[in-house]
Amino acid sequence: DSGVTQTPKHLITATGQRVTLRCSPRSGDLSVYWYQQSLDQGLQFLIQYYNGEERAKGNILERFSAQQFPDLHSELNLSSLELGDSALYFCASSVVSTGGSSTDTQYFGPGTRLTVL
Amino acid sequence: AQKVTQAQTEISVVEKEDVTLDCVYETRDTTYYLFWYKQPPSGELVFLIRRNSFDEQNEISGRYSWNFQKSTSSFNFTITASQVVDSAVYFCALSEEWTGNQFYFGTGTSLTVIP
Repeated sequence: DSGVTQTPKHLITATGQRVTLRCSPRSGDLSVYWYQQSLDQGLQFLIQYYNGEERAKGNILERFSAQQFPDLHSELNLSSLELGDSALYFCASSVVSTGGSSTDTQYFGPGTRLTVL
Repeated sequence: AQKVTQAQTEISVVEKEDVTLDCVYETRDTTYYLFWYKQPPSGELVFLIRRNSFDEQNEISGRYSWNFQKSTSSFNFTITASQVVDSAVYFCALSEEWTGNQFYFGTGTSLTVIP
């Protein structure tokens, strides 16, 4: 158990809908990362937050948004869903941001499998 | 152009053999970070290592070792005396400071260790 929790584990929804994925980092970790893994696109980095602020942004669509709350949990909002958004969404946490120690470890949650029908 | 290339799509080895997974990256930045991740058949992602561009020392962790060579822009991963539990997809990734620490992943190498 990595200590990172993600809810829900599975989500099935229809095109055009909006969903929210939630991530709770390990106790003490200030950074949260979101990744998307799909058969078409492979593994992609979406966004990173550090202590409530956006730190790095990757291939995140405009229909997607994220935030990190004062209690450090994070939510990834996906709207106007399309079939191609079906994927496994991973959250990870670490103590520091990318510029931190070379030994900083990322801990991954089990992922949320999103299916858009 | 791919920033991270993992040319080996699939590798099969017999248990106890050594195996090296190749990773070649492309960057013009002087400050960057390289990563390896493991994804076993169960699907979870496991962080293995992070290396910054100023630290070219090779790293050894048990049966795992990493060879970082700036001259060839490579960050190869070797598993010594492979075991069945090493069967997984392994991803190499690059994070560049000048692109705002965005991560770029390779397409992964699927390793099968045959008992």
